[in-house]
Amino acid sequence: NAGVTQTPKFQVLKTGQSMTLQCAQDMNHNSMYWYRQDPGMGLRLIYYSASEGTTDKGEVPNGYNVSRLNKREFSLRLESAAPSQTSVYFCASSRTYREINVDTQYFGPGTRLTVL
Amino acid sequence: AQSVSQHNHHVILSEAASLELGCNYSYGGTVNLFWYVQYPGQHLQLLLKYFSGDPLVKGIKGFEAEFIKSKFSFNLRKPSVQWSDTAEYFCAVKRSSGSARQLTFGSGTQLTVLP
Repeated sequence: NAGVTQTPKFQVLKTGQSMTLQCAQDMNHNSMYWYRQDPGMGLRLIYYSASEGTTDKGEVPNGYNVSRLNKREFSLRLESAAPSQTSVYFCASSRTYREINVDTQYFGPGTRLTVL
Repeated sequence: AQSVSQHNHHVILSEAASLELGCNYSYGGTVNLFWYVQYPGQHLQLLLKYFSGDPLVKGIKGFEAEFIKSKFSFNLRKPSVQWSDTAEYFCAVKRSSGSARQLTFGSGTQLTVLP
């Protein structure tokens, strides 16, 4: 069981470039999430996918798009990178029970992105 | 909107000292509460969680947390810290009702344990 995996681990972009961060989980979880972590601000939710085929905006969605490719994979795309998007990006997944909306999120190792 | 406050941004302790990290949240309904730990260069790992039942929750590595509903608090404690506990600690809160699946994180507390 690899858990939640993310690629790449590090990336440097120039302003205006685009890129896609990949995330996959092998725990058969329904829900997946993308967060960004900035110093002194904790983790902030960018987008989440409650189940395959659905996506919803989180707290800071501007400048990002997501795709829930299948149950395992959830990608985050930066169409035109900006220096303000320099951050560490974490993907997470969780299992959601139908009657009980209680779940623990499990995190990937993160992608450290620098936009020059 | 719910919010989570961790008032201690950086805590420095010597080995064997006792630890208490504060966490307060603003949502008045039923909540699920979590503490995550992030060791240097690593991803977040679940330390402990509270869903219901006994408000004193025991987690891994000797950590525990107490849910005090009247104070909207979920403070993390450890009787005797070790150098290896140096890490950043995040409190997180999720509403347990409705369709909300989002986790709201506090800003984190950096713990440095001096050998």
